[in-house]
Amino acid sequence: GDSVTQMEGPVTLSEEAFLTINCTYTATGYPSLFWYVQYPGEGLQLLLKATKADDKGSNKGFEATYRKETTSFHLEKGSVQVSDSAVYFCALSDRDSSASKIIFGSGTRLSIRP
Amino acid sequence: NAGVTQTPKFQVLKTGQSMTLQCAQDMNHNSMYWYRQDPGMGLRLIYYSASEGTTDKGEVPNGYNVSRLNKREFSLRLESAAPSQTSVYFCASSQELPYEQYFGPGTRLTVT
Repeated sequence: GDSVTQMEGPVTLSEEAFLTINCTYTATGYPSLFWYVQYPGEGLQLLLKATKADDKGSNKGFEATYRKETTSFHLEKGSVQVSDSAVYFCALSDRDSSASKIIFGSGTRLSIRP
Repeated sequence: NAGVTQTPKFQVLKTGQSMTLQCAQDMNHNSMYWYRQDPGMGLRLIYYSASEGTTDKGEVPNGYNVSRLNKREFSLRLESAAPSQTSVYFCASSQELPYEQYFGPGTRLTVT
């Protein structure tokens, strides 16, 4: 079945460092891809999305490019802030699937040091 | 526009007790979902409802029942709570797939 694999955390960086969180997927159809963020004590919020190959999703300085050839959707940010400390989830939703579901990765906890 | 709301925010149950978690959305979405989140396990789908009047099992349905009361409301019931059901429960909704899901703030449940 469909699946999402993302790098294990925790990831600890200093403020203004460059961030990459790796995400790869397995899907039989043509999935849409998402990054969600969860701040402490809150629910998940959509951070960005891409619905077809080569699309780039971006929001709040974060970017991710849908790479069909490598089945990847890595999250990047050029200069992280303390306020970016959160758990990040990669996810996919397959348009061709008969089941109306989103598959989530296990999450990567990010901590930013001042 | 409140989005997705959940009640209660916190609950403590004794083993064997029952309770219902409530979820409502005001975005006129067709599909609704219940997840549980455990440390180190990410999110696991319990049940979902693709449209009013339909429900389907997700990855971990055992010990739970759901009701799609109307288009707005989707409740999750624990008939006989067990310590293994200690978790944070999230409700979500979406207009259609593959559109993104919108999440509620969660219910933190402890079963002793």
